[in-house]
Amino acid sequence: ELKVEQNPLFLSMQEGKNYTIYCNYSTTSDRLYWYRQDPGKSLESLFVLLSNGAVKQEGRLMASLDTKARLSTLHITAAVHDLSATYFCAVDISGTASKLTFGTGTRLQVTL
Amino acid sequence: GAVVSQHPSRVICKSGTSVKIECRSLDFQATTMFWYRQFPKKSLMLMATSNEGSKATYEQGVEKDKFLINHASLTLSTLTVTSAHPEDSSFYICSAREPGLSNQPQHFGDGTRLSIL
Repeated sequence: ELKVEQNPLFLSMQEGKNYTIYCNYSTTSDRLYWYRQDPGKSLESLFVLLSNGAVKQEGRLMASLDTKARLSTLHITAAVHDLSATYFCAVDISGTASKLTFGTGTRLQVTL
Repeated sequence: GAVVSQHPSRVICKSGTSVKIECRSLDFQATTMFWYRQFPKKSLMLMATSNEGSKATYEQGVEKDKFLINHASLTLSTLTVTSAHPEDSSFYICSAREPGLSNQPQHFGDGTRLSIL
């Protein structure tokens, strides 16, 4: 059974600080996705990582994938309040970019 | 861009009622759609894979007679929660991916918040 774990589950950080969210998964996969969810809302796609060593950046967020270590990271640079949300990684082991197993989620709170 | 529409966004009803939730792909045809369930402050759990023109594939532990899925056309999948009880209260989200774009993420509907009194 595939397990996807995120660390930390909750993160409170000040504006301007840097931090990294980790996503570990238990079964071989080369497709990993990061999503953002605001309270009461659905999911917004952030990044698609499709190969070992893939790195994607958008604004203050950067995601990477190490398939050998079964680890993905989401790095936050100089956090701002607008980044407050819950972040999920999701792993696809079906090979068809279809069936996703979601991580436990990391609730990020950026304080002023 | 591709959009997945989900309706209704919120349902409040009495115990014993059956509730139907619709998921539509607005500008693409989806032979496969997915239904997820999310409890407050928890992650998304895949309930079932909806297959156009054939039976849905349910995940382990999901009651197929409780959660009826119909995928009668290439743009519409429905989830019916039959004889709903308070423990069925949850946030239900559907998703779909444009066929032929395996390197693209799934698109999620806005979700349906179901509250059973």
